[in-house]
Amino acid sequence: AQSVSQHNHHVILSEAASLELGCNYSYGGTVNLFWYVQYPGQHLQLLLKYFSGDPLVKGIKGFEAEFIKSKFSFNLRKPSVQWSDTAEYFCAVNAAGRRALTFGSGTRLQVQP
Amino acid sequence: EPEVTQTPSHQVTQMGQEVILRCVPISNHLYFYWYRQILGQKVEFLVSFYNNEISEKSEIFDDQFSVERPDGSNFTLKIRSTKLEDSAMYFCASSELSNSYEQYFGPGTRLTVT
Repeated sequence: AQSVSQHNHHVILSEAASLELGCNYSYGGTVNLFWYVQYPGQHLQLLLKYFSGDPLVKGIKGFEAEFIKSKFSFNLRKPSVQWSDTAEYFCAVNAAGRRALTFGSGTRLQVQP
Repeated sequence: EPEVTQTPSHQVTQMGQEVILRCVPISNHLYFYWYRQILGQKVEFLVSFYNNEISEKSEIFDDQFSVERPDGSNFTLKIRSTKLEDSAMYFCASSELSNSYEQYFGPGTRLTVT
């Protein structure tokens, strides 16, 4: 069975700081990888996804993530965070050919103005 | 922008009662899903539904749970006899038939079993 680990549970940054949130997965086969965001009071929204091709994927709002197959990682990055990035961020995977998502435990990001 | 909607936003029920959680997926989507998140825990997959039948389900989705698409717009999750441990946020999601696998989530229904 696949699993997803997000090591940072709560991250506090000042505006303009750089962000990197870790995500590691455990699965022996081909996976699709996702980052979802949940802003306060809102539903889960897709930030970006990786299926194949260029391992560096760009998403909405200046976010990007890099798939490193050898490390089973899919870390989320943003060079300069804004107060409006305050939210909970979830990494998720599904096995290729399946649709069920396995989520990490989430990282709560708090950006201080 | 089309959205997945869920009703009610909060449901309180007594242990042993049946509950039905309702979802309206995005209109041109053909795959539907239920997930749940117990307070303080991960979001967990329950079931996916396509072409009027279950396509995948997790170990959590036992005989107490059922899903249905009663008409052309609604997708429901029924819990036959609720237990205290069913208290959670339940999320509905939908996706297109294509291989994009992108799932669009609803705002969730908070189920409280007393």
